[in-house]
Amino acid sequence: DQQVKQNSPSLSVQEGRISILNCDYTNSMFDYFLWYKKYPAEGPTFLISISSIKDKNEDGRFTVFLNKSAKHLSLHIVPSQPGDSAVYFCAAIGRAGNMLTFGGGTRLMVKP
Amino acid sequence: EAQVTQNPRYLITVTGKKLTVTCSQNMNHEYMSWYRQDPGLGLRQIYYSMNVEVTDKGDVPEGYKVSRKEKRNFPLILESPSPNQTSLYFCASSTMFLWGGELFFGEGSRLTVL
Repeated sequence: DQQVKQNSPSLSVQEGRISILNCDYTNSMFDYFLWYKKYPAEGPTFLISISSIKDKNEDGRFTVFLNKSAKHLSLHIVPSQPGDSAVYFCAAIGRAGNMLTFGGGTRLMVKP
Repeated sequence: EAQVTQNPRYLITVTGKKLTVTCSQNMNHEYMSWYRQDPGLGLRQIYYSMNVEVTDKGDVPEGYKVSRKEKRNFPLILESPSPNQTSLYFCASSTMFLWGGELFFGEGSRLTVL
């Protein structure tokens, strides 16, 4: 059973609007959460992260929100740009810090 | 340039023919890991290594072997490949522990087993 789930396989957004990508997890031992972005024919690249002691982390147009009680995190992209079109993976790390568990990914398409 | 290099990038092979996918990193990272990416399943960890001579199983280790004889190299070995190992494979490296440190990925190796 997947411990990290991204229930929306795809999302389409108009350029300039907000993109919200969601992620749910089941393991309460997860301590640190990350988002990775992947373009075709490339490896994933790190985007933004959040520790379990925080509920929000911001980096430019990207903000990650963590709701520990709901075991839910989301990535907000404002404003969305066509270059943001990619597959986004959320991932979680346990307290041992040695394994990263990924969700299934959400394909974001930002239309001009 | 800091990078993780995988070879080959593309490979078509037949069932049972042993193959090795090499991975090398030039960032002096202690931690290295292999993942496979399959549609709808995201990236699943096959094996990881915290340092030289230290390896451990991830979530889907069956049918794979690894070795970590040198810090920079972490090859993935398929002793007897089967069609269910057809996948996109990624090698990654990081500093000792993953908290707060990014995982740097290679460009991927697409393997087809006929």
